[in-house]
Amino acid sequence: AQSVAQPEDQVNVAEGNPLTVKCTYSVSGNPYLFWYVQYPNRGLQFLLKYITGDNLVKGSYGFEAEFNKSQTSFHLKKPSALVSDSALYFCAVRAEGGKLIFGQGTELSVKP
Amino acid sequence: DAGITQSPRHKVTETGTPVTLRCHQTENHRYMYWYRQDPGHGLRLIHYSYGVKDTDKGEVSDGYSVSRSKTEDFLLTLESATSSQTSVYFCASRADRLVDDTDTQYFGPGTRLTVL
Repeated sequence: AQSVAQPEDQVNVAEGNPLTVKCTYSVSGNPYLFWYVQYPNRGLQFLLKYITGDNLVKGSYGFEAEFNKSQTSFHLKKPSALVSDSALYFCAVRAEGGKLIFGQGTELSVKP
Repeated sequence: DAGITQSPRHKVTETGTPVTLRCHQTENHRYMYWYRQDPGHGLRLIHYSYGVKDTDKGEVSDGYSVSRSKTEDFLLTLESATSSQTSVYFCASRADRLVDDTDTQYFGPGTRLTVL
């Protein structure tokens, strides 16, 4: 069965520093992987996805994610964090029938 | 973002009362989903629809029913609300794979439901 794990409930970063939000997955076959962001009192917004091809995927708001098949990871990264990046981040993997399996979420806090 | 709206955005109700949440999308997406979001659990799938009048259960479907009479509308009903159904409910939709083979889902703004 497909599953996703986000090992950190919270990540704290200083503004201007690089950030990483971790995600590992378990799937049979080739994975379709997604990152979503949720700002307070808002719905989830699509950030980026990995389907195939280049292991480094670029998405919205300067975020990127690195797919690593050997480590079954899909970590979200940004070279220089902004206070406005503070939000809840979800990793997800496509399951059968196009359903998504979500991780439990990681709260990112960027301090000035 | 896809044009997905949810109504109501907030609702407080009492245990035992029926509640219906509405999701409306203007993207002509074939697939629609209802999730609930609870702390420590991420998003969990309640029910989904793969076409008009075609629905199926998700991970946490007990106590919930759905209906889809039109492409654009997907209703979630709590027949007799319980306190354990206090949650934030999100609707999502995605296009048919012939249109978007990545299966990307787009989300509505959510409905905060409190059952007293």
